[in-house]
Amino acid sequence: EPEVTQTPSHQVTQMGQEVILRCVPISNHLYFYWYRQILGQKVEFLVSFYNNEISEKSEIFDDQFSVERPDGSNFTLKIRSTKLEDSAMYFCASSLTSNSYEQYFGPGTRLTVT
Amino acid sequence: GENVEQHPSTLSVQEGDSAVIKCTYSDSASNYFPWYKQELGKRPQLIIDIRSNVGEKKDQRIAVTLNKTAKHFSLHITETQPEDSAVYFCAAILPTGFQKLVFGTGTRLLVSP
Repeated sequence: EPEVTQTPSHQVTQMGQEVILRCVPISNHLYFYWYRQILGQKVEFLVSFYNNEISEKSEIFDDQFSVERPDGSNFTLKIRSTKLEDSAMYFCASSLTSNSYEQYFGPGTRLTVT
Repeated sequence: GENVEQHPSTLSVQEGDSAVIKCTYSDSASNYFPWYKQELGKRPQLIIDIRSNVGEKKDQRIAVTLNKTAKHFSLHITETQPEDSAVYFCAAILPTGFQKLVFGTGTRLLVSP
């Protein structure tokens, strides 16, 4: 069964550094998402992406964040200047169409900002 | 925007008992309600979902019920097993926009042998 994959599984970075989190969505899926989960808390929506454009973003997704689909398979989340409060698990998800609703999550990248 | 509340936050049951987790949502336009199971350090896994045109859906030992009038939906797990132990999240999607999932706060289910 196809799965969403993410790399790296764990990223440690210093405050102020840039990080890029990578995701490979399920191959025939068209809609892509990033969510984050601070330890012990609920999963929060960051951004959705379709047709090479951001379709919706949350208030968490400020100017320090950006997303990109650099090729036909990868979907990346960049944080330009990390803060301590960016430490969280970041999940990528994908869905087939806007009407299929089912979103499948990757295994996550644990980001630790020191 | 949508807001989803979930309770209880923790639930302990004996193996073989049933477990019920409840969620309420705020926006009556929400039309899709998935449940995710998250084991420690793992990805959220979709275990069952229900759309607003259906009142109940079953899949073996799990079922979800939806009451649109009251704006609440519930996850029912029968004959619980230790491997059911995990955090369960409910979520809702509004039909507008691009289907961002709004999650509840999670229920930690512990099934004791």
